[in-house]
Amino acid sequence: NAGVTQTPKFQVLKTGQSMTLQCAQDMNHEYMSWYRQDPGMGLRLIHYSVGAGITDQGEVPNGYNVSRSTTEDFPLRLLSAAPSQTSVYFCASGTRIRSGNTIYFGEGSWLTVV
Amino acid sequence: AQSVTQLGSHVSVSEGALVLLRCNYSSSVPPYLFWYVQYPNQGLQLLLKYTSAATLVKGINGFEAEFKKSETSFHLTKPSAHMSDAAEYFCAVSPGTSGTYKYIFGTGTRLKVLA
Repeated sequence: NAGVTQTPKFQVLKTGQSMTLQCAQDMNHEYMSWYRQDPGMGLRLIHYSVGAGITDQGEVPNGYNVSRSTTEDFPLRLLSAAPSQTSVYFCASGTRIRSGNTIYFGEGSWLTVV
Repeated sequence: AQSVTQLGSHVSVSEGALVLLRCNYSSSVPPYLFWYVQYPNQGLQLLLKYTSAATLVKGINGFEAEFKKSETSFHLTKPSAHMSDAAEYFCAVSPGTSGTYKYIFGTGTRLKVLA
């Protein structure tokens, strides 16, 4: 009963380093997305995808890349980490089919950039 | 375009009192609306959702919300607060069956329950 799985859960990066946050779902959902959560700002959409090979930008895409080569996976890449990217990152997936657009969240990834 | 406004970043209620968390939305297409709850250091859990059927929606843990199109609101209520309701609550909007498939969240309301 995995649902949405994010790795790693915690990560400390140095400024300028790159890394990838992994997200996998086993529910055959067409929709996947990445949000960042910062105090007082709620969840802001970074990138989203409505199917394999299709991605689009959300509200705060700068500094992040995504790709969707399979239905199951939607990794988020930080190309050159900056302290402003210190945040909690959530991956979510969902489907319009039979679920009324409900999306399901992973447990989050805590990222600190020093 | 869609947006969500949650009035009040912090709300305090006494145990047993009415809980009212406010959410107003903007959407250019018929929306689906959601309330999620987040407990400390956890992901978000769906409380309830409106998907164009009944305008009064009942969710888990005794919460309910009413969709009011004329007021563009989807406020969350619970008749009697419990200590375990202390958490952060997020309202979200997405297009229903048309429009770009995208979810937008409000900035959240942290609920504190006083003994």
